[in-house]
This record gives sequence, structure tokens and C-alpha cells, in this order.
Amino acid sequence: EPEVTQTPSHQVTQMGQEVILRCVPISNHLYFYWYRQILGQKVEFLVSFYNNEISEKSEIFDDQFSVERPDGSNFTLKIRSTKLEDSAMYFCASSAEGTTEQYFGPGTRLTVT
Amino acid sequence: AQSVTQLGSHVSVSEGALVLLRCNYSSSVPPYLFWYVQYPNQGLQLLLKYTSAATLVKGINGFEAEFKKSETSFHLTKPSAHMSDAAEYFCAVIAGGTSYGKLTFGQGTILTVHP
Repeated sequence: EPEVTQTPSHQVTQMGQEVILRCVPISNHLYFYWYRQILGQKVEFLVSFYNNEISEKSEIFDDQFSVERPDGSNFTLKIRSTKLEDSAMYFCASSAEGTTEQYFGPGTRLTVT
Repeated sequence: AQSVTQLGSHVSVSEGALVLLRCNYSSSVPPYLFWYVQYPNQGLQLLLKYTSAATLVKGINGFEAEFKKSETSFHLTKPSAHMSDAAEYFCAVIAGGTSYGKLTFGQGTILTVHP
């Protein structure tokens, strides 16, 4: 069964460093999303992406964040200068045209020290 | 704007007992509703969804949920709990009319199943 994959599973970085989180969505899906879950809190929407552009973004998704689909398979989230409060589990999700259900990857745990 | 409230951050049941996890939503338009499950150290797995067809929705692993518009609820049930059901469960909503919209999640309910 097709699934969303994410790499790395765990990333440790120092405050102020740039990180890139990678996702491979399900191959025939056209809508892509990033969510995050700070430890002990609810899952929060960050950004959605369709047709090579951002469809919607939350207040969390400020200028430090960017997304890109560099080729036909990968979808990346870049944090330009990480802060301690960026420590969280980051989930990528994708959905197919004309459907509502979003399929999630296993997540990348980002730890900023 | 839509929101989701899950009543009870922790629910504990005995194996074989009824599971009832509560979810209430608010949405200015008819919503799409979902339940996801998260097992320890894993991602979110879709259990079931409501998208304005049948109000009683059956999902995987014996779970089902009933959409009640008058109560703005979408409670998750399972007649007989199994040890393997122990996990965290999230109710989520997408505002109707945009099938590709963002999911808004509740705060989650941790289900514990005792032998």
C-alpha cells in the first residue's frame, strides 16, 4: 500500500541553524501539507501546497519557513534559522484530487538545542 | 472558522468494554469530519471520515462514528475494546466546500485499555 515517507526520523540541530525536512508524498497525490505537534499539544496546521504554490498558511508559518517541491517526488520544509520553540514533531501529509482524506507520514522529530 | 473539542484527555476502559470518545465541532458550513489514531512513536492513521453521506460511518479496526448535526457531535465508538486499541485518538475537521482544506485537530484523547 502506498504511504507517505519522511526523512530523517529525528533531527537535532543548534539554535540558528537551517534545517530541511524531507517528505515523499503518495505518488498520484496533488495536495501536500505540513503540520507540527509540539510535545503535549495538539497537531497544528502549517501550510498547504498545490500546483507548485502555497494554497494556505497559518500564522505559525512566518518568513523563517519555506516549502518547495524540487522535483516530481519530494516535498520539503525548510526552517531558515531554528529557534528553541521550533522543537516539535513535523508531519507531512498528502491527498488526492477530489478527495478529503489526508494521509500522514511517520513524522520527523526536530530537536533544537 | 472551524474548531474541535474532545471531551476527556484520558479515557480508560477494560478489555471487552465499550469505547466512547467524544468530539464536538463548530463550523460555519457543513464540515468534513475525521478520526485519526496515533500509536506510540508513529504517525497519524486515518480511522474513518464523514463527508455528508451516511451519518453513521464505519472505519477500520471495528470503530464507528455517528454524525449528529443537532448536537454538533461526531463521537467515536467501538463495542468491545482490545488491548491493541491503546493509542491517542484525534478528531479533526475540514470546513465544508474545500475538500483539500487544512485539518483542524482536537487536543487528542489517550485511550488506555486494562486487561
